[in-house]
Amino acid sequence: EAGVTQFPSHSVIEKGQTVTLRCDPISGHDNLYWYRRVMGKEIKFLLHFVKESKQDESGMPNNRFLAERTGGTYSTLKVQPAELEDSGVYFCASSQGPWDGAFFGQGTRLTVV
Amino acid sequence: AQKVTQAQTEISVVEKEDVTLDCVYETRDTTYYLFWYKQPPSGELVFLIRRNSFDEQNEISGRYSWNFQKSTSSFNFTITASQVVDSAVYFCALRGRSSGSARQLTFGSGTQLTVLP
Repeated sequence: EAGVTQFPSHSVIEKGQTVTLRCDPISGHDNLYWYRRVMGKEIKFLLHFVKESKQDESGMPNNRFLAERTGGTYSTLKVQPAELEDSGVYFCASSQGPWDGAFFGQGTRLTVV
Repeated sequence: AQKVTQAQTEISVVEKEDVTLDCVYETRDTTYYLFWYKQPPSGELVFLIRRNSFDEQNEISGRYSWNFQKSTSSFNFTITASQVVDSAVYFCALRGRSSGSARQLTFGSGTQLTVLP
């Protein structure tokens, strides 16, 4: 069974550009989460989808971040325009039920220069 | 508010030694879940265990064991007879389950474990 996959694994962009990260959850997992870890800090929650609906987006830092999950399958996280402080590793996770252990992808390392 | 503290930033041990990674948590929820994740050099977060707050039984899985003590709000992780492949960053995490509680994971800052040959 395929795990959670994220694309790309690395992205280097200039400040002001747009980047879109993609996450394919484990098949059948209704719950999808985005987290990120900026340099030297804890892994922080960004948002939670249940199927295609945003259950909780309290962790989204500002309106430069937009997450979608059309059709309740894969999800995208767009950063527009990117700023230097957006650099970090963005993790996607999925789970079958909301209280199950979440399975994480390998992360996307975003570097904004 | 929830908080997870992993006071050990880095630990180095020699292969075959036992090592314990500490995790202390804070929550107002009466029901909650505790987790451990492993992040090897490849980068992904690997799920190791989930523990319900009502279940204080210690758990053993091969060389891994977990000691959950509600009285001290701790959920420590021990690796017995450590191996070089155990080298990774280990994260402890908490998720509350009270009504209205967020379903997000609150992570500790992680402990970098290095096992030397």
